[in-house]
Amino acid sequence: GAVVSQHPSRVICKSGTSVKIECRSLDFQATTMFWYRQFPKKSLMLMATSNEGSKATYEQGVEKDKFLINHASLTLSTLTVTSAHPEDSSFYICSAKPLGGLSDGYTFGSGTRLTVV
Amino acid sequence: GENVEQHPSTLSVQEGDSAVIKCTYSDSASNYFPWYKQELGKRPQLIIDIRSNVGEKKDQRIAVTLNKTAKHFSLHITETQPEDSAVYFCAASFASPNSGYALNFGKGTSLLVTP
Repeated sequence: GAVVSQHPSRVICKSGTSVKIECRSLDFQATTMFWYRQFPKKSLMLMATSNEGSKATYEQGVEKDKFLINHASLTLSTLTVTSAHPEDSSFYICSAKPLGGLSDGYTFGSGTRLTVV
Repeated sequence: GENVEQHPSTLSVQEGDSAVIKCTYSDSASNYFPWYKQELGKRPQLIIDIRSNVGEKKDQRIAVTLNKTAKHFSLHITETQPEDSAVYFCAASFASPNSGYALNFGKGTSLLVTP
């Protein structure tokens, strides 16, 4: 089946620094990748939709200058949390959809636990 | 995206009993409804999904029913086992601007199966 790799799995950074998270589709091409954020014991909240070769689409309330998304190829999307603050600490998880539509599957990466100290 | 409501938030059953989780959605254009199981600290795993042209789908001990008219769908787990304990999320597709379809998730149900 489709596999999505996400790195790093865990990162601790200091306030004010930036952190980059990578999401790769290993055995399929994904024109669209989704970035979610999950707080402890909470649901997955869609942050943005990453489109290969074009600008990401951000959900209401998500700062695009804070969460930079780059989808430079059909297998890689990156999320950069800029000038991180403790309130940015969360579980970030990506998901990718193979070419062909939603019904073809929707696979999640393993997630990144970000802690800002 | 539109809202997806999920109930109950917690569910405790004894091993061997059945568990039912219910979701409602508001976007009449939604046509894909997956269910995910997430164990602590791990990624959500797709366990079953259903499309709007089908009313019911079953895979061994897991079944999903969909009522498009009422805009609700349910997950049914029979003969529950302790390893079924996890958080379960329902989701419904919605048209994300400029990028086709994305998923809106329910808030999750924490299922505990006691031996």
